[in-house]
Amino acid sequence: AQKITQTQPGMFVQEKEAVTLDCTYDTSDPSYGLFWYKQPSSGEMIFLIYQGSYDQQNATEGRYSLNFQKARKSANLVISASQLGDSAMYFCAMRPNTNAGKSTFGDGTTLTVKP
Amino acid sequence: DAGVIQSPRHEVTEMGQEVTLRCKPISGHNSLFWYRQTMMRGLELLIYFNNNVPIDDSGMPEDRFSAKMPNASFSTLKIQPSEPRDSAVYFCASSLETANSPLHFGNGTRLTVT
Repeated sequence: AQKITQTQPGMFVQEKEAVTLDCTYDTSDPSYGLFWYKQPSSGEMIFLIYQGSYDQQNATEGRYSLNFQKARKSANLVISASQLGDSAMYFCAMRPNTNAGKSTFGDGTTLTVKP
Repeated sequence: DAGVIQSPRHEVTEMGQEVTLRCKPISGHNSLFWYRQTMMRGLELLIYFNNNVPIDDSGMPEDRFSAKMPNASFSTLKIQPSEPRDSAVYFCASSLETANSPLHFGNGTRLTVT
């Protein structure tokens, strides 16, 4: 069984500052993918960043980076230089290699960027 | 690329009526997923297809729910009869069938059953 835990229901950050959204996961699969998605108030789900379980380097995509610590089973999302448009719900998800259909999502973290 | 297309965007129906949600996945994607999102239960996987074949429908809440994928470019999720507790946002998503492929979501269908 797989499980994603996002312990922060809500987070606040000042505009232009960096923020870290926590994600821990549990799986018995040796190979898997980790993803972060953004859901703004308009409702759509937007893919942000991907990290493979065997990737040696942390993934980066513009202002998004992933702090991947495999031994601790954590995949925290770091957003640098926060913008008002970053206010949204953020979901961490995992997709195992052995059963790629079984994407598991966390409960999400609501991020509010203050001006 | 047009992305995943869902219709309708909003559906309001009365309890007992049949509801059909539609989805057109991204061309070339061989996996299709139906999710339901509510405040209480978060994002739940209802069913997913690989190459048009249903692989896992263990998330389908009960027999009132059914899903089909007659071809690679179309899928439906049907609720018959609908109940107020089915009110939610229903997302369709598609991807390649690999662990490193992100899910591409449609804009969702907001279903309200009165």
